[in-house]
Amino acid sequence: DTGVSQNPRHKITKRGQNVTFRCDPISEHNRLYWYRQTLGQGPEFLTYFQNEAQLEKSRLLSDRFSAERPKGSFSTLEIQRTEQGDSAMYLCASSLGQGLYNEQFFGPGTRLTVL
Amino acid sequence: DQQVKQNSPSLSVQEGRISILNCDYTNSMFDYFLWYKKYPAEGPTFLISISSIKDKNEDGRFTVFLNKSAKHLSLHIVPSQPGDSAVYFCAARPATGGFKTIFGAGTRLFVKA
Repeated sequence: DTGVSQNPRHKITKRGQNVTFRCDPISEHNRLYWYRQTLGQGPEFLTYFQNEAQLEKSRLLSDRFSAERPKGSFSTLEIQRTEQGDSAMYLCASSLGQGLYNEQFFGPGTRLTVL
Repeated sequence: DQQVKQNSPSLSVQEGRISILNCDYTNSMFDYFLWYKKYPAEGPTFLISISSIKDKNEDGRFTVFLNKSAKHLSLHIVPSQPGDSAVYFCAARPATGGFKTIFGAGTRLFVKA
C-alpha cells in the first residue's frame, strides 16, 4: 500500500501526559500537512512542511504542540501536557509539487482521547 | 468565523435520484474549490475540484457548479448510488497560500436502496 499511513490509529491518554503521532506520506511527495478534526466539524489546518522545512503554523497550534519532519520524509506531531480539549482526530496529508492545484492525499488519521 | 459553510448536516436521497449538496463561502480571495468524500474510519478522499475561472466541472456522475457572484457552489451526483453514502466536505483555497485548505463542516449523505 503506497498511501499515507498514520500511527497509531487510536491513542487514549490521561490529561497531562505527552503523546506523539507519526505520519508516513506517499514516498515522492514533498509537501506534508497536519489537520485536526473534531466531532461535527471539517478538518482544520494545523501546519505544513515543504520537504523538511515547516513553513506555516496555524494559531490553533499552541506552544504545547510541535511538529517535525527531520529528513523530509516522515513527520511526527507531539502534544505535551495533553488537555481534554485536545481530543480529536489528527489527520495527515501529503501532496506533490507546488502551486494551488495540487491534490492532497489524506491518511486514515489518529484518534486521540484525553481522559 | 466559518469561511466555508455547509448548512445541511445531512441529506437523504433515493437510489437513482439526484443528490445536491450545497456550500457557501465568505472569502472572496478563494480561488480553488474542492469536494472531498469521507467514509468512516478513513481519511477524506479527493472527489472533484473547480477553479474560480470556471462555473462547471464534470467527472462522470459528479458535477460541481460554482456561482462566484453568490459565493456558492454545489455538488450534483446523478444517479445516486448506495455506495455514495458518506460525509462530503466542501473545501476552498485562497489564491495565495494555496497549501492551506479550508474545510466546511460536512454533509452526511444517505442514499437509500
